[in-house]
Order: sequence, then structure tokens, then C-alpha cells
Amino acid sequence: DTGVSQNPRHKITKRGQNVTFRCDPISEHNRLYWYRQTLGQGPEFLTYFQNEAQLEKSRLLSDRFSAERPKGSFSTLEIQRTEQGDSAMYLCASTAGTGDSYEQYFGPGTRLTVT
Amino acid sequence: AQSVTQLDSHVSVSEGTPVLLRCNYSSSYSPSLFWYVQHPNKGLQLLLKYTSAATLVKGINGFEAEFKKSETSFHLTKPSAHMSDAAEYFCVVSRRGGGADGLTFGKGTHLIIQP
Repeated sequence: DTGVSQNPRHKITKRGQNVTFRCDPISEHNRLYWYRQTLGQGPEFLTYFQNEAQLEKSRLLSDRFSAERPKGSFSTLEIQRTEQGDSAMYLCASTAGTGDSYEQYFGPGTRLTVT
Repeated sequence: AQSVTQLDSHVSVSEGTPVLLRCNYSSSYSPSLFWYVQHPNKGLQLLLKYTSAATLVKGINGFEAEFKKSETSFHLTKPSAHMSDAAEYFCVVSRRGGGADGLTFGKGTHLIIQP
């Protein structure tokens, strides 16, 4: 399978714990994005990388959230001291370039439940 | 700032009848606009995109959309609905010109197909 993959697919954690999600983009895609989708809503942009550089962070990304893409390939999203409001689907997407013709390809998401 | 408004949260049609999902946009730039579909437990899939070429855009599975600048609209249509079209549909605008920046999603329209 050459699509975007995300692990784990589901994560249940207790409030206050830290969690980390992984995204593997399509090979050689230089841009990688994280979005969050809560129930009944559309995805909301969190942050994106071009290669290993994090170029933009949304105001939704509080200081408890950190994302990395150390070698310009896979990315991790860590949430520290989770809160119930963090319960959502976390989506990763990747694209090959920066022009209008480049489609963002989405992974299946990681569903986080904070109890 | 860019935004999209999906005018209907739910649309119900009978199989074999036309589908119309409505979307209005707001953009400071010449926008890139997209429609994505999300089937239950599956990733987001691009249906079609408008990037300042032809105003009538054809997508996959018989869907098309027309960009109307005077009406700031980008409605999605299909002549004949199929049961497999039942899904959540998102109208999307690029946050800045170009599809490779973070995307701004609408709240979604749930399409129901009646047999």
C-alpha cells in the first residue's frame, strides 16, 4: 500500500497522560499536514511541514501539542497532559509539491478518546 | 481569511435523482476550491478541484462543480444519485492560493440516498 498511513488507528487514554501519533506520508512527498476533526465537524488545520521544517502552526495547536518531522519523512504528533477536549480524529495528509495542481492525500486518521 | 459555508447539513435524495450540495466561499485571494468525500471509516478522498482554469470542473464518479465568482459559489452536482454516494461531503478552500497550503474545510453535508 503506497498511501498515507497512520498509527495507531485508535487510542484510548486517561486524562493527564501523554500520547504520540505517527504519520508516514506517501514516499517522496515533501509536504506533510496535520488536521483535527471533531464529531460532526470538518477537519481543522493544525500544522504543516515542508521536508523537516515546520512552516506554520495554527492557533489551535496549544503548547501541549508538539509535532516533529525529524528527517523529512515520517512525522509524530505528541499531546502532553491530555484533556477530554482533545478527543478527536487526528488526520495526516501529504502532497508532492507547492503548486495548485498538487492534491493533498489523507490518511485514515487516529481516533483519540480521552477518558 | 478564507472560509466556506455549506448551506445544508443534510441532503436526502432518491436513488437515480439529481444531487445538489451547496457551498459558498469567502476568499481574499483568487481561491483554489475542492470537494472531498468521506465514507464511514474511510479516509478523505478528493472528488474534484478548481484552480482558476475552467469554471466547470468534472470529478470522479460523475460529480461536477461550477465555480461562479459573481455568486461566490461552488456547488457540487451529480445527475443521478447512486446508493454508493451516501457519505459526508466537504467543501474546501485553500488557506492561501494553491492547494499545497493548509486547507479550510466546511462543516460538511451528509448525503442520504433513499432506495
